[in-house]
Amino acid sequence: ETAVFQTPNYHVTQVGNEVSFNCKQTLGHDTMYWYKQDSKKLLKIMFSYNNKQLIVNETVPRRFSPQSSDKAHLNLRIKSVEPEDSAVYLCASSCYWGSAETLYFGSGTRLTVL
Amino acid sequence: SQWGEENLQALSIQEGEDVTMNCSYKTYTTVVHWYRQDSGRGPALIILIRSNEREKRSGRLRATLDTSSQSSSLSITAAQCEDTAVYFCATDCSGGSNYKLTFGKGTLLTVTP
Repeated sequence: ETAVFQTPNYHVTQVGNEVSFNCKQTLGHDTMYWYKQDSKKLLKIMFSYNNKQLIVNETVPRRFSPQSSDKAHLNLRIKSVEPEDSAVYLCASSCYWGSAETLYFGSGTRLTVL
Repeated sequence: SQWGEENLQALSIQEGEDVTMNCSYKTYTTVVHWYRQDSGRGPALIILIRSNEREKRSGRLRATLDTSSQSSSLSITAAQCEDTAVYFCATDCSGGSNYKLTFGKGTLLTVTP
């Protein structure tokens, strides 16, 4: 049963454009994340939000910015996309902030930059 | 091993066989997560083993953890076609407020009839 919803499923755009991805979780969790998955399936954390507060900001380019209106929503904006941004962006949530907490992932947004 | 590899590992087995996937990690962890990712979906947790456990079982799955060698394994007994997926281990890189869950490179397991 899907409880982390991401839109859109796919997005194709050109270099230099701005894109936004949406994520909503209906689990009542306090913490949400954005991960980037490349073509080799490597998963790298980009951002973590705990109850709307940014707690981990990995070394990602400044053109990426997370946006949260409440603890159930975490969007991702890319101001000026580049070819290396082509990837699957996965949103996840966990009940609390902690190492033993299960991550619940959405199905991802596949971004293709031409 | 899922760490230190450039490319996604691939394993292909036949239905009914047993398979073991290994994961080694570089820093202390309090827990090892194992996730599976089906095509077109996000990863989903299948088993979690804590640093004070040496073994954990869940149905046909068995996870082990050796903190002295900083390694974990996931075994699937009598694999079925529906076990075809990418499997990841994930560890936390230090505790406290700087906690983050870091995923290994992953293993693509293909189970054929």
